[in-house]
Parts: sequence; C-alpha cells; structure tokens
Amino acid sequence: GAGVSQSPSNKVTEKGKDVELRCDPISGHTALYWYRQSLGQGLEFLIYFQGNSAPDKSGLPSDRFSAERTGGSVSTLTIQRTQQEDSAVYLCASSSQGQGYGYTFGSGTRLTVV
Amino acid sequence: RKEVEQDPGPFNVPEGATVAFNCTYSNSASQSFFWYRQDCRKEPKLLMSVYSSGNEDGRFTAQLNRASQYISLLIRDSKLSDSATYLCVVNNLSGGYNKLIFGAGTRLAVHP
Repeated sequence: GAGVSQSPSNKVTEKGKDVELRCDPISGHTALYWYRQSLGQGLEFLIYFQGNSAPDKSGLPSDRFSAERTGGSVSTLTIQRTQQEDSAVYLCASSSQGQGYGYTFGSGTRLTVV
Repeated sequence: RKEVEQDPGPFNVPEGATVAFNCTYSNSASQSFFWYRQDCRKEPKLLMSVYSSGNEDGRFTAQLNRASQYISLLIRDSKLSDSATYLCVVNNLSGGYNKLIFGAGTRLAVHP
C-alpha cells in the first residue's frame, strides 16, 4: 500500500483479555518495527523484524507480549492478559532497509485497558 | 542514563524567531541520526537526516558533533505550523540488530 496501515485505530479492552494489533507495512519494505508510546512519553522500542532473520525481541516488556510477521509482510502484535499499564499507542513502522534508514510510521493503535 | 536525551521544553517562541534544540546520545557506535516531528496525537514523521558535515533543508539546519555525541536542530523564521514535538533519533547497533532509538522529544510552541 501507499503507507503503513494499522488496525484497529482504537481498542478498548477489559483487564485480563487478550488483544491483537495488526500492521500492514509499505509494500517491499523488508524491515518492520513495533514501538509504543504512553501518554506524554517518548517512543519505547518493542520488537524489530528484518527479512527472514530472527527478530530482535529485546524491547518486549514481558512474556505477555509477542509478535509475528507472516510471509515477510503483515505483522501482528499480541498482548495476553492485558493490564492497565499496557494502555498506550502502539506504533508500527517499516523501512526499505534495516540499516538505520528513516522509518515510515502508521497512525497507530490506541489501546485502553479498563 | 537514557540512550538519547533531550530537553523536554516547552520552548515558547514568537513567529519569526530562531530556535535551537539540542540532543545528546550515549552510544558512540551510533552511525545514523535523524530528527522527527510529531504533532499532537499523530505519528512521528521524518523531518530530516543528520549528516556529519551538517545539512540544511529550507529553514531547518541540523548539525552533528560526533566527538561530543551531540546533535542539534536549528529552525529559522519560525512559523505557527512549526509547533510540534521534535524527536531526536539515533541508531543502535547491538546484538547484530540495527534499530532506531527515539528521544522523548522537545516541545515547540510558536505563538503569533
């Protein structure tokens, strides 16, 4: 597509429920990244996929968080047993190379855990 | 210590003013540097890359000092539309991975 597409744009869920967030990167971009941004805070790195290489999961805050990227394209970020502190905007970005080139971000999924 | 540090501001300046933001980074192995702009409740967007020799894009000038691990952004002739949060971004090479680390941002408010 023309840009990075994320869905849903907003998600309200009850504490303890699982959620799935989807990211569809720019066609042909080999690198895909997930960040999250809490209100008034900076971007926190979560996970990075580059081609067929093993992902960099070093930013995932707990084992309740996981992500996969199928066919080198669409990615899903899953949060199990959501907690209130998981409330944030989850941003996905893609780039044409994984060499520190500038990223293009999607508009994010605003997750609220009540 | 945070990997990328910025003064959070806010910087409140009148239209037409010149304003400068600074950023320091801790990883001396970093090789790629950027400034992003983020409007309220929007995603970050790439403003400009930062090159060792310094670079200019219209009213915006970016400088890099590798020895001091310091990056700056200068905005001349500020416009109301420049009001946003400016994110300093540095790449991190660790574990064979290459990813971008974002500063928490500096808020700029340009007033009439």
